[in-house]
Amino acid sequence: KNEVEQSPQNLTAQEGEFITINCSYSVGISALHWLQQHPGGGIVSLFMLSSGKKKHGRLIATINIQEKHSSLHITASHPRDSAVYICAVKMSGGGADGLTFGKGTHLIIQP
Amino acid sequence: NAGVTQTPKFRILKIGQSMTLQCTQDMNHNYMYWYRQDPGMGLKLIYYSVGAGITDKGEVPNGYNVSRSTTEDFPLRLELAAPSQTSVYFCASYPGREVYGYTFGSGTRLTVV
Repeated sequence: KNEVEQSPQNLTAQEGEFITINCSYSVGISALHWLQQHPGGGIVSLFMLSSGKKKHGRLIATINIQEKHSSLHITASHPRDSAVYICAVKMSGGGADGLTFGKGTHLIIQP
Repeated sequence: NAGVTQTPKFRILKIGQSMTLQCTQDMNHNYMYWYRQDPGMGLKLIYYSVGAGITDKGEVPNGYNVSRSTTEDFPLRLELAAPSQTSVYFCASYPGREVYGYTFGSGTRLTVV
């Protein structure tokens, strides 16, 4: 069974700091997703990765397939980045049964 | 495009009552999913569908039913509500091609009392 572990579970930082959230998984995957969920809000897809690195604005996502590890970085963090960040993976050879999710990292950026 | 639309956003049910959570997508995605999110836990798959007329159970299907009569709609039915079904429910859709991500609805917060 695939396990998806995220660290840290909770992170509080000051505005402007560089943020790193980590995700590790235990089996082969075809894709890894990073999602964002604001308090009381819906879930938004940030990135889908199968290799390498992607960048969108101040967000950067990387994946190392050999080490079964991905990181989400936020540069010049801002209070509006405060949210839960969720890592989810699609297993290799898996059927149509969707994603396996981590428990999320609760990020608070203080002004 | 509206994306994935879920209704209602909030609902309080009494034990034993029934209700249907509605989910509609306008992106012509073949794959649709229902997940539940409990505090401190990752999302768990309830049911999924790979196209109209085809549904299958996920990890936690007990107490729920689904149907997929059209590509657009994927309602989730709770027949006899129980306190254990208190959760936030998310519907999601996916085109089936790995170059695209998943699109989630805004969620339904259900409380069973």
